[in-house]
Amino acid sequence: TQLLEQSPQFLSIQEGENLTVYCNSSSVFSSLQWYRQEPGEGPVLLVTVVTGGEVKKLKRLTFQFGDARKDSSLHITAAQPGDTGLYLCAGETGGFKTIFGAGTRLFVKA
Amino acid sequence: GAVVSQHPSWVICKSGTSVKIECRSLDFQATTMFWYRQFPKQSLMLMATSNEGSKATYEQGVEKDKFLINHASLTLSTLTVTSAHPEDSSFYICSAGGWEGQPQHFGDGTRLSIL
Repeated sequence: TQLLEQSPQFLSIQEGENLTVYCNSSSVFSSLQWYRQEPGEGPVLLVTVVTGGEVKKLKRLTFQFGDARKDSSLHITAAQPGDTGLYLCAGETGGFKTIFGAGTRLFVKA
Repeated sequence: GAVVSQHPSWVICKSGTSVKIECRSLDFQATTMFWYRQFPKQSLMLMATSNEGSKATYEQGVEKDKFLINHASLTLSTLTVTSAHPEDSSFYICSAGGWEGQPQHFGDGTRLSIL
C-alpha cells in the first residue's frame, strides 16, 4: 500500500512565525501537488513540483521536492492569519493515480 | 485557469431520498474525474474514478450500487447517492484532470446532510 505521510497534523502558531510542513513516502512520485483548503470549499492548487530537488516559491511559501522524488516540504515565512487552512500534499504515482496526505491543519493567531 | 463546477453546494434531505451531485469541467475536457468524500477535519478519501464512456472504478469498501456514477460526456460526471441515510452525510468533492501529468482541479464540494 502506498502511503504519503504528512506532518504535523495540526499546527497553531502566532502571526509572524515560520513553519514547515512535511510529506514523506517510500514511493517515488512523478509529480507532487500542494493544496490549501478552507472550510466548506474544495482544495485549491498551490503548486506542482515535478523534478527531483526542485524548489518553487509562491510569495511567502517555499515548496521543495526531494532529490529522490519521495518527499516534499512546504515552508511558510512570517505566517499570517490568512494562511489559516488545511494544507494537503498529493503525489501522483503514474497511471493517473493520486495519493493524498492526511493534511495539516494550520491556525495562525493574530 | 481550469475551473470545475460542482452543484449543488449544499443539500439537506430526508432519509431514503436519492441525491444527485453534478461535476462539470467548464473550460476543458475531462476524460477522467474523481469523486472524494471528506469527513470533518480529515483528508480526502477517494471513492471512485469516473471514466468518460465507461464504468467507474470504485475504491475498496465503496458500494457501487449505493454511489452511482455516470460520466456520459467529457465535461460532466454525476454522483447519485441512492436511498441516502444519515451515515451518508458528508462533504463530497469532485475533481477533474484532463490528461496525465497534470494536477487535479477540484470543485467547491457538496455538503450533504441526511435527516
